Amino acid sequence: EVQLVESGGGLVQPGRSLRLSCAASGFTFDDYAMHWVRQAPGKGLEWVSGISWNSGSIGYADSVKGRFTISRDNAKNSLYLQMNSLRAEDTALYYCAKDNQQLAAFDIWGQGTMVTVSS
Amino acid sequence: DIVMTQTPLSSPVTLGQPASISCRSSQSLVHSDGNTYLSWLQQRPGQPPRLLIYKISNRFSGVPDRFSGSGAGTDFTLKISRVEAEDVGVYYCTQATQFPYTFGQGTKLEIK
Repeated sequence: EVQLVESGGGLVQPGRSLRLSCAASGFTFDDYAMHWVRQAPGKGLEWVSGISWNSGSIGYADSVKGRFTISRDNAKNSLYLQMNSLRAEDTALYYCAKDNQQLAAFDIWGQGTMVTVSS
Repeated sequence: DIVMTQTPLSSPVTLGQPASISCRSSQSLVHSDGNTYLSWLQQRPGQPPRLLIYKISNRFSGVPDRFSGSGAGTDFTLKISRVEAEDVGVYYCTQATQFPYTFGQGTKLEIK
């Protein structure tokens, strides 16, 4: 079964750091680009960051550039998001999503991990 | 950034009746390779998003044929021929033509 499972979310104070992980299974992880997409409570979807299959191409939303770092470990079938200098507006459910380049769409999504930034 | 604008933001529909959602992009979604990378996602309550339609009009695996997509350039439409109870949720259009990928605000489909 194709699956993405996020972990690492939680309650964190403003200015602190958190590292999210996404474990992939059921497909050849290193064939695909991967992304993080977030959804603030009661709000819509916001693309956060994406990384190519070999980490050669990386992109960030302006709202997180300079604070968040995406990475992957193909040997461990895992995607990561290092989040530093967290702000209240980063509070959201963070999804990892598989990028099917042939479809040019996010075809598989995890269940998400919740990040709450509050003092 | 490409702005995606959906209308309506809320759509009450009677079971068995059709529904239609529009999505307009602030610039053409035609990629330099000639393809148009517009897709539609469905998010049922309490669930992650699910891919319905890719490249304007292609149904993803397992998606019922009552869902269809159309459009070109900057104007796109998702249609549900006969709404069923399981279709309740929020629908998003999204573009992958240009970084950063962007989403519409979402359209909430509810049953009258």
